[in-house]
Amino acid sequence: DAKTTQPPSMDCAEGRAANLPCNHSTISGNEYVYWYRQIHSQGPQYIIHGLKNNETNEMASLIITEDRKSSTLILPHATLRDTAVYYCIVRLRMDSSYKLIFGSGTRLLVRP
Amino acid sequence: GAVVSQHPSRVICKSGTSVKIECRSLDFQATTMFWYRQFPKQSLMLMATSNEGSKATYEQGVEKDKFLINHASLTLSTLTVTSAHPEDSSFYICSARAGLAEGNYNEQFFGPGTRLTVL
Repeated sequence: DAKTTQPPSMDCAEGRAANLPCNHSTISGNEYVYWYRQIHSQGPQYIIHGLKNNETNEMASLIITEDRKSSTLILPHATLRDTAVYYCIVRLRMDSSYKLIFGSGTRLLVRP
Repeated sequence: GAVVSQHPSRVICKSGTSVKIECRSLDFQATTMFWYRQFPKQSLMLMATSNEGSKATYEQGVEKDKFLINHASLTLSTLTVTSAHPEDSSFYICSARAGLAEGNYNEQFFGPGTRLTVL
């Protein structure tokens, strides 16, 4: 599975967009990019995933570069409740034997 | 989205006792369940993978005799920490994966976690 690289920490002002980058330069053609987040003392929460097209849902947008070697998770209007650790993971979606392995993620602090 | 519950949410026990943590998939059948452990300010570490009706597969360095996992049904898995010691104090998180037949394309859903404190 492709490894990912994320900055250890970021911060942004409340109400502004939070853009969280992720590098996955060794991603293979059938691997998806997944984003999860973990708010303090809670289980991880699924945010969004994508293969090659940009994706948007009620929580966030995912922008994947054309060569798929990097992606950006965008929280369009960050709130204090978005303060969490964000994990970018690449995985095979249809592989029933897949194990989700977490890296160190990006600790996002949303400032009032 | 699919819901995974854990019970208890917090447990405090004395050193040497055993503690059981339950993980349930509430609205889907989980062909595979996972147990993670997380120490303060660290990432989640996968402990083991279990498939319904078969023995769990443990990650390297995880003692299978200490962390007993049972996955007796498609909606329930249990983790028993035997002869717990203070160093076992941690945040334990389970995760359940729906099979392809559930229409969730192998998505993995997480429980809220159980905070174990061993005195």
